Amino acid sequence: DQQVKQNSPSLSVQEGRISILNCDYTNSMFDYFLWYKKYPAEGPTFLISISSIKDKNEDGRFTVFLNKSAKHLSLHIVPSQPGDSAVYFCAASALGSSNTGKLIFGQGTTLQVKP
Amino acid sequence: SQTIHQWPATLVQPVGSPLSLECTVEGTSNPNLYWYRQAAGRGLQLLFYSVGIGQISSEVPQNLSASRPQDRQFILSSKKLLLSDSGFYLCAWSPLGANVLTFGAGSRLTVL
Repeated sequence: DQQVKQNSPSLSVQEGRISILNCDYTNSMFDYFLWYKKYPAEGPTFLISISSIKDKNEDGRFTVFLNKSAKHLSLHIVPSQPGDSAVYFCAASALGSSNTGKLIFGQGTTLQVKP
Repeated sequence: SQTIHQWPATLVQPVGSPLSLECTVEGTSNPNLYWYRQAAGRGLQLLFYSVGIGQISSEVPQNLSASRPQDRQFILSSKKLLLSDSGFYLCAWSPLGANVLTFGAGSRLTVL
């Protein structure tokens, strides 16, 4: 049972344009959402997060949008740069799990930004 | 500042052999510790987490086990590896009460 889904395995974008990565979840108990970025043969690094009490969080070129009614979140990267090429993972945690920090991850989306 | 170390980085083991992957965290005390696995074409699957010494929770039934002999040390083990144990193993930590995990560099395990 995949509680966090990233239905697009890959995305290709031209440098300078917007990259939009999508994520859907099924568990209505999730209250905190994160995006991680991963380069090959390295561990994922934290990018940005959003609490369920918000619908938008922005950090520089990165913005995460949360639509609770649709159980959907997205990551926008504007403008996209070649260095953004990586695998992006969406993750979620549920109410009551903050003491354990358990995150449920999606399958990942490989972003390629072409110069 | 806090750092997380994970080793070995790469491991090639025959089927039926034992496994030991080690993870240590520096610069913090009483962290939550995690083992995740990334199998080919799949996301990150939580295998084990620990909220304290000797406290291990298993998320999925499997051929692996975990131990936390010291506050900042987390070990992933197997007595007999299977082909299906191949994958990229990631150790992570978080402060107590926080949801943001910091990952190690990972260990690539190939079982032949």
